[in-house]
Amino acid sequence: GAVVSQHPSWVICKSGTSVKIECRSLDFQATTMFWYRQFPKQSLMLMATSNEGSKATYEQGVEKDKFLINHASLTLSTLTVTSAHPEDSSFYICSARSRDGYTFGSGTRLTVV
Amino acid sequence: QKEVEQDPGPLSVPEGAIVSLNCTYSNSAFQYFMWYRQYSRKGPELLMYTYSSGNKEDGRFTAQVDKSSKYISLFIRDSQPSDSATYLCAMSAGSGGYQKVTFGIGTKLQVIP
Repeated sequence: GAVVSQHPSWVICKSGTSVKIECRSLDFQATTMFWYRQFPKQSLMLMATSNEGSKATYEQGVEKDKFLINHASLTLSTLTVTSAHPEDSSFYICSARSRDGYTFGSGTRLTVV
Repeated sequence: QKEVEQDPGPLSVPEGAIVSLNCTYSNSAFQYFMWYRQYSRKGPELLMYTYSSGNKEDGRFTAQVDKSSKYISLFIRDSQPSDSATYLCAMSAGSGGYQKVTFGIGTKLQVIP
């Protein structure tokens, strides 16, 4: 089936630094990539929708200057958490529409210390 | 009121039992309904994908949609310990790659050998 490769799978960073998360669609073209955040015992919450070659659309309450999204090609979208703080520690997951439905990456566990 | 309501559980059943997982929703525009399985610290994996009302069967899994009641179900027959995971319902108004998907909180299932 369709595969979305997400890296890194986990990262620990110091408060104030930036972290980049990559999602690649390996065998299909992803015009649109969805970025979710999942806190423990909570549902997946959509943060933003990225569209290849255009600006991302952010959900209410998500700071676009803090969570920078780049979707430069049909197979790659990146999320950069800028000036990370401990409250940004969460599980970040990307998803794209494929022939198999919505395919998810394996997620990135971000811990900010 | 949340758009999608799902009991977080946990739900514990003996091996071989029939499991019933359910979600209710409030948005009548939802047309596409999905069930995902998520193991701890992993991205969700698509199990079933249905359109509008009706039943769909795939091996031990059966998905039911009752749009008149805004109620969807996932049944797992002959449950196995390997089925132990969190099950997320998800739904969207359309099937286009740009369509936003709304998730339930997920029901944690434990199948006891």
